[in-house]
Amino acid sequence: GQQLNQSPQSMFIQEGEDVSMNCTSSSIFNTWLWYKQDPGEGPVLLIALYKAGELTSNGRLTAQFGITRKDSFLNISASIPSDVGIYFCAGPRNAGGTSYGKLTFGQGTILTVHP
Amino acid sequence: NAGVMQNPRHLVRRRGQEARLRCSPMKGHSHVYWYRQLPEEGLKFMVYLQKENIIDESGMPKERFSAEFPKEGPSILRIQQVVRGDSAAYFCASSNFRQTGNQPQHFGDGTRLSIL
Repeated sequence: GQQLNQSPQSMFIQEGEDVSMNCTSSSIFNTWLWYKQDPGEGPVLLIALYKAGELTSNGRLTAQFGITRKDSFLNISASIPSDVGIYFCAGPRNAGGTSYGKLTFGQGTILTVHP
Repeated sequence: NAGVMQNPRHLVRRRGQEARLRCSPMKGHSHVYWYRQLPEEGLKFMVYLQKENIIDESGMPKERFSAEFPKEGPSILRIQQVVRGDSAAYFCASSNFRQTGNQPQHFGDGTRLSIL
């Protein structure tokens, strides 16, 4: 089945540093989604990518949809303490060639930011 | 996570009891998805429902688990005769289009189920 592999599994950085994490798959995805999850809460959508090669920003966050449709990366610039959390990539599973809302999630990247 | 409401936030049950988890989707959303998250793992799809219909339950265990989304009221995920392995966080998401590309899913804050 479709699986998403995220790396790194965890990151420990100093406040102000830039962060980069990525997500790869052996299958093609037509949409890539990046979520952040804080402890005790549900995932919150950060960025949605719909086209191969697309580069999208949301404040200090930038994400790209890989040309092969099998990968995506997320960058966070000038990290701050509230960036702490778990970051997940996700994509809708294909059903009969049509993407719909059943999502496959990566295992997450745990980000720790030291002040 | 404003909009998708789940309750209870925490639920403790003894082995063999029943657990009922509720999800009220965002206003105007008619598609509901349930996911399960084990500690230090990503979310795993369980079931996808529209009003009064189960569209896809391929991620749901065949025994003891059931889900419904009635015409009126919240969606319910029901786990009968709970076992320790059912301990997890259960998340609900909603959308109003079938294709995620048009309307990304919005998640609730989950129900943390603990089995004693």
